Amino acid sequence: ETGVTQSPTHLIKTRGQQVTLRCSSQSGHNTVSWYQQALGQGPQFIFQYYREEENGRGNFPPRFSGLQFPNYSSELNVNALELDDSALYLCASSEKLGGTTDTQYFGPGTRLTVL
Amino acid sequence: AQSVTQPDIHITVSEGASLELRCNYSYGATPYLFWYVQSPGQGLQLLLKYFSGDTLVQGIKGFEAEFKRSQSSFNLRKPSVHWSDAAEYFCAVGRAAGNKLTFGGGTRVLVKP
Repeated sequence: ETGVTQSPTHLIKTRGQQVTLRCSSQSGHNTVSWYQQALGQGPQFIFQYYREEENGRGNFPPRFSGLQFPNYSSELNVNALELDDSALYLCASSEKLGGTTDTQYFGPGTRLTVL
Repeated sequence: AQSVTQPDIHITVSEGASLELRCNYSYGATPYLFWYVQSPGQGLQLLLKYFSGDTLVQGIKGFEAEFKRSQSSFNLRKPSVHWSDAAEYFCAVGRAAGNKLTFGGGTRVLVKP
């Protein structure tokens, strides 16, 4: 059984550019959540995808968007990058059965630096 | 709104000594509570979780945590710390039918030889 994987590991972009981060969920998991972790802080919830639909969103602007694919993998897209977008982006997968939330398992993260 | 407070930003402990990390939460319903550990530059690894039942939960790596509803706390403990326990520890709260986890700011643990 493979865990949650993310790519790329590191990424450097310049302000105004667009970026796409990728996540493969753990085998058997149908839900993917994305978090942003700024340096020295705890992770903050961006949004969650369940069965290819957005299932809740945190306090992030619309330039943060996502997708979930039929195989439950996911992408996080950020447009018009700002310096404050520099952070570790974490993906977590879980198995949602009915209305019950299960434990979220995290990937290693993608370190994004915006210059 | 849910929130999590980890009052200690840094804790230094000697190898072999006991460790307790504090976590206080604010939540309007029955919380789901988690402790995660993060090594430098790494993702989060689940140490333990509390959903219901016995308020003392056992986790991996010899960690345990106790849920105290009256104090809105979920403190993490380990009887004897190893050098490999040096890391950052995050407490998080979620809800049964929810989606997001709300994390505290983390406690960085340093282990002295």
